[in-house]
Amino acid sequence: RKEVEQDPGPFNVPEGATVAFNCTYSNSASQSFFWYRQDCRKEPKLLMSVYSSGNEDGRFTAQLNRASQYISLLIRDSKLSDSATYLCVVNYQGGKLIFGQGTELSVKP
Amino acid sequence: DAGVIQSPRHEVTEMGQEVTLRCKPISGHNSLFWYRQTMMRGLELLIYFNNNVPIDDSGMPEDRFSAKMPNASFSTLKIQPSEPRDSAVYFCASSLSSSNQPQHFGDGTRLSIL
Repeated sequence: RKEVEQDPGPFNVPEGATVAFNCTYSNSASQSFFWYRQDCRKEPKLLMSVYSSGNEDGRFTAQLNRASQYISLLIRDSKLSDSATYLCVVNYQGGKLIFGQGTELSVKP
Repeated sequence: DAGVIQSPRHEVTEMGQEVTLRCKPISGHNSLFWYRQTMMRGLELLIYFNNNVPIDDSGMPEDRFSAKMPNASFSTLKIQPSEPRDSAVYFCASSLSSSNQPQHFGDGTRLSIL
């Protein structure tokens, strides 16, 4: 089993749609969780941290379920500019982060 | 504020040559990470340093790869001799030394070994 597994992509959605990404992780001792965004041929950039109580940042909502070792990202009212690859990231030991393979999102007009 | 700075941005070289990639982390960050990204394998952690000391190099593919961090503001990743299968994008990232801190990435070095 991979340490971090994400939904296979790509997701092709129309503008304005709501889209959800899921991610599972194998290390029950993990304490920190993040969603990163990576545009084509660019570096990964932090989108948001994921907190135990769930958190929201504008159109983006992240949820964590420790019992099921599951993380989700919800994007509401998707924009063309949301098109990117979304990476689920989990800390493993100390400062080491494990990145999922990523899920590609394509938002169409 | 300056982010993580990597050089060169692009490198094309022939098989067998030595390649040196450079990274300057964000000032004040204690941890530095080297990653490699390919279509097939995604983003892989090669090695990371904490306070200039290598902590985990289990991701380094083989002895041809080596990394150093002589001071808090500079790190190198060296491949000698290079092979075509080393072609990838190499990212450097830095963070504050805490397990709940995110990492900030440089622009990456696109390496092509012919």
